[in-house]
Amino acid sequence: DIVMTQSPDSLAVSLGERATINCKSSQSVLYSSNNKNCLAWYQQKPGQPPKLLIYWASTRESGVPDRFSGSGSGTDFTLTISSLQAEDVAVYYCQQYYSSPLLTFGGGTKVEIK
Amino acid sequence: QVQLVQSGAEVKKPGSSVKVSCKASGGIFSSYGISWVRQAPGQGLEWMGRIIPILGLANYAQKFQGRVTITADKSTTTAYMELSSLRSEDTAVYYCARDSYSGVVSPPRDWGQGTLVTVSS
Repeated sequence: DIVMTQSPDSLAVSLGERATINCKSSQSVLYSSNNKNCLAWYQQKPGQPPKLLIYWASTRESGVPDRFSGSGSGTDFTLTISSLQAEDVAVYYCQQYYSSPLLTFGGGTKVEIK
Repeated sequence: QVQLVQSGAEVKKPGSSVKVSCKASGGIFSSYGISWVRQAPGQGLEWMGRIIPILGLANYAQKFQGRVTITADKSTTTAYMELSSLRSEDTAVYYCARDSYSGVVSPPRDWGQGTLVTVSS
């Protein structure tokens, strides 16, 4: 199974500042058929289901603010919130779908306001 | 945009089984994969398995092999997840989620509201 490791477990960022979350996969998730990385990012707020933010490592889902961006390739990925807003307080998860239908999630990163 | 509506909360005894439903409306059902993901209290997301209704074939995480059964009824556009031999560690919110795209590898996009299953004697 592909293991997804996120860091840090939590971070506190001032409003308007940048938040950076890292995700590492135990093997490459680069899909040879389209040369894209099978890596998604989700946001989950308390009492709600996860919300898909980014897929193919860097493609924003429709309606997701452009302060959210994803980058990386192979085994190392990053989710960046360029200017943290109060509504961004949540837990963020990375997920690989390279081994689809088997999916695995990272452990999550809790983002709070400093 | 598809909507996934799950069945209500359940309280079960250890050793029993639970069956959670997930009804899809507003979109194509049969050709999209439906995954089941659970989240124990205060914990992260754990993928359990997935089915493509038109194929009727389910895949399961090794951890749940032999204990989980995922099925789908195309006529009612409803997917089901049954978990047996319940133990306290199975207390969690169970989500169904539909793939973003049909026929290609893609992450789940649309999620149900979640069903709390509590296992307690």
